[in-house]
Amino acid sequence: ETGVTQTPRHLVMGMTNKKSLKCEQHLGHNAMYWYKQSAKKPLELMFVYSLEERVENNSVPSRFSPECPNSSHLFLHLHTLQPEDSALYLCASSQDWKGAGTEAFFGQGTRLTVV
Amino acid sequence: AQKVTQAQTEISVVEKEDVTLDCVYETRDTTYYLFWYKQPPSGELVFLIRRNSFDEQNEISGRYSWNFQKSTSSFNFTITASQVVDSAVYFCALSDDNTDKLIFGTGTRLQVFP
Repeated sequence: ETGVTQTPRHLVMGMTNKKSLKCEQHLGHNAMYWYKQSAKKPLELMFVYSLEERVENNSVPSRFSPECPNSSHLFLHLHTLQPEDSALYLCASSQDWKGAGTEAFFGQGTRLTVV
Repeated sequence: AQKVTQAQTEISVVEKEDVTLDCVYETRDTTYYLFWYKQPPSGELVFLIRRNSFDEQNEISGRYSWNFQKSTSSFNFTITASQVVDSAVYFCALSDDNTDKLIFGTGTRLQVFP
């Protein structure tokens, strides 16, 4: 089984829908992350969780709501999104979130299209 | 402020050519780490290498090599004898003691044609 698994791989949703992205890591890591990847822009760090506690929230609109029920699972709940939210959403994990040089392991991402 | 610049948006080469992907970084910290990740069409970022700021030795791993030069704040990545399977988007990233988190460049899309 791969280290970091994301579901679904593709998602199309209307602006009034509510959906959730799921991430699961099987690496025994303590930190998990959500990144947004838009075309021709650097990866944007959205949220960081360490031991199930949110430690960073980079000015992400409230229509994105993360949830980390345990150290292996991370969700991103979506509601009333805008077309500009269409992007690849990547989940990652690392052993710990503090410490420069910590290597992150990424999932395959969820390709989200908002119509 | 920390910043990573990958000036090459797209590069196309023919198989067996050598290709170098450029990465220039900015940081005020003296302790920092540089990374390269590969993103194939399947989507996940695959870790390739991590170097710390105190180790300027160049590294070679098979057809891959990395040239770290603090004097020019660059960490370039060379693929020798490129293959079609090397086609992907390559990201350079930086982390330092100030931010802890990874700061990514915009990526370079490499297309290797047969």
